Amino acid sequence: GAGVSQSPSNKVTEKGKDVELRCDPISGHTALYWYRQSLGQGLEFLIYFQGNSAPDKSGLPSDRFSAERTGGSVSTLTIQRTQQEDSAVYLCASSLAEGSRYGYTFGSGTRLTVV
Amino acid sequence: AQSVTQLDSQVPVFEEAPVELRCNYSSSVSVYLFWYVQYPNQGLQLLLKYLSGSTLVESINGFEAEFNKSQTSFHLRKPSVHISDTAEYFCAVKYGGSQGNLIFGKGTKLSVKP
Repeated sequence: GAGVSQSPSNKVTEKGKDVELRCDPISGHTALYWYRQSLGQGLEFLIYFQGNSAPDKSGLPSDRFSAERTGGSVSTLTIQRTQQEDSAVYLCASSLAEGSRYGYTFGSGTRLTVV
Repeated sequence: AQSVTQLDSQVPVFEEAPVELRCNYSSSVSVYLFWYVQYPNQGLQLLLKYLSGSTLVESINGFEAEFNKSQTSFHLRKPSVHISDTAEYFCAVKYGGSQGNLIFGKGTKLSVKP
């Protein structure tokens, strides 16, 4: 596609429920990143996929968070047993293999509200 | 630990005044440096980047940033701001090579008043 597409754009969920957030990267981009943007906290790195390599999960805040990337394209971020502190905007970005050298293309994000 | 510090969380300024948004990073042998901008209710967009070569880099809308290795800084400047520059600005750093993730600062909200 022309850009990075994320869905849903907004999600309200009850505490304790599981949620899935989807990211469709730019076609041909081998690298995909998930970040979380909380008020006043900037962007917090969550996870990074590069081609067929094992993902870098070093930023996931707890074992309730997981992500997968199927066929080297679409990625899904899953949050189990959501908590109120999970409320944030979840951003996905993609890039060419050397994308950290040239910067990322970000999606518009999914605003998650846990009530 | 690798980090990026944006010293000012908010910068209010009048239209046509100059502005500087500060960014410092923890020292490293090699870094790539970026500024991203997020306009209200929009996603992040790349504003400018430093990879190598000239330490002064410019964007198409009049912003510039200078890589200062000795001070480990990459401050963003504009000599005369417009109302339309109101946005949040994020400094980001890639440490050591081109693979892997960017580390972002906490952002600076630039508010331009008439």
